[in-house]
Amino acid sequence: RKEVEQDPGPFNVPEGATVAFNCTYSNSASQSFFWYRQDCRKEPKLLMSVYSSGNEDGRFTAQLNRASQYISLLIRDSKLSDSATYLCVVLYSSASKIIFGSGTRLSIRP
Amino acid sequence: EPEVTQTPSHQVTQMGQEVILRCVPISNHLYFYWYRQILGQKVEFLVSFYNNEISEKSEIFDDQFSVERPDGSNFTLKIRSTKLEDSAMYFCASAGRATAGYGYTFGSGTRLTVV
Repeated sequence: RKEVEQDPGPFNVPEGATVAFNCTYSNSASQSFFWYRQDCRKEPKLLMSVYSSGNEDGRFTAQLNRASQYISLLIRDSKLSDSATYLCVVLYSSASKIIFGSGTRLSIRP
Repeated sequence: EPEVTQTPSHQVTQMGQEVILRCVPISNHLYFYWYRQILGQKVEFLVSFYNNEISEKSEIFDDQFSVERPDGSNFTLKIRSTKLEDSAMYFCASAGRATAGYGYTFGSGTRLTVV
């Protein structure tokens, strides 16, 4: 089983739509969770951290379910500029590194 | 906003040659990393570096690879005897703390093409 698993997509949705991505992780010792965004041929950039209580940043909402080892990202009122690959990222407590999922491609159409 | 700087942005090298990829991490960061991304694939961890030594390395990071922090500013990745399959985007990252993933900052990457 992959350490961090995501649906690769692509998700192709109209502007203004709500879209949700899911991610599962295999190691229950995982400590911290993040969503990164990566534009084509660019570096990954932190979008938001994910907390057990759930957290929201504007149009973006992240949820963590430790029992199911599952992370989600919800984007409301999607914009053309949201088109990117969204990377689920996990930090293990025993390691000084972050592990990336393969990413979910999102394309927003006018 | 502080940046991680990588040079060159693109390097083309012949198979079998040695390359050195350079990174200048954020000045007050203590943890340094190299990741790579083969075109169309996921971002993969190569190595982490702290206190002038390797903290952890992946199975990808074999004897062909080495890292160095020669002058307290630069952080380099050396790839000896490059192979075609080394062609990838190489990202440097730095962090103030190892266990704070939100603190990782990535450079814009060096695209390595081995021909």
